[in-house]
Amino acid sequence: QKEVEQNSGPLSVPEGAIASLNCTYSDRGSQSFFWYRQYSGKSPELIMSIYSNGDKEDGRFTAQLNKASQYVSLLIRDSQPSDSATYLCAVKGTGRRALTFGSGTRLQVQP
Amino acid sequence: DTAVSQTPKYLVTQMGNDKSIKCEQNLGHDTMYWYKQDSKKFLKIMFSYNNKELIINETVPNRFSPKSPDKAHLNLHINSLELGDSAVYFCASSQDPWDNSPLHFGNGTRLTVT
Repeated sequence: QKEVEQNSGPLSVPEGAIASLNCTYSDRGSQSFFWYRQYSGKSPELIMSIYSNGDKEDGRFTAQLNKASQYVSLLIRDSQPSDSATYLCAVKGTGRRALTFGSGTRLQVQP
Repeated sequence: DTAVSQTPKYLVTQMGNDKSIKCEQNLGHDTMYWYKQDSKKFLKIMFSYNNKELIINETVPNRFSPKSPDKAHLNLHINSLELGDSAVYFCASSQDPWDNSPLHFGNGTRLTVT
């Protein structure tokens, strides 16, 4: 079982819709969770971090964490074509000193 | 500008050669990392230094040798390059490896071995 799992996609949504990206992780003791966005040929950039169960909102982005289900998600409201990118889920596992990344979900927002 | 910068951006070389990638951060962070991203976009940790001390050394061929002359710099030297070393190598930094600090990435070095 991979430590951090994401559906590779592509996830295709129309402009203005809500995009829902999901991530599961295997280490039940994980405490820190991050979403990064990576445009083709560019470096990952941090979008959201979440540490407690529940929702965390930042503009059009909402991160959701459910530690009991070992599940973290990212919602993008009012999706724009400029949101088209690969979204990487990253988890800080128990006693780990580095983030473990999922393989990313490619999002395509259709104009 | 405050950032993580790495050079070169592109590196094309032949099998068997030795090459180095350099990284510098001016964010004042104590910890620096090397990640490798393969063609399927999977980012995998290779090494990490905290204030010049090696704290992460994942299962990486010993042809790869990191060096950190000070906490703002982390270099990666690769000996006897192989085709499978072709990837994008990202340098990153964070304030503290043991807390919730996020990673800040450099722009990457695309290594192509022919």
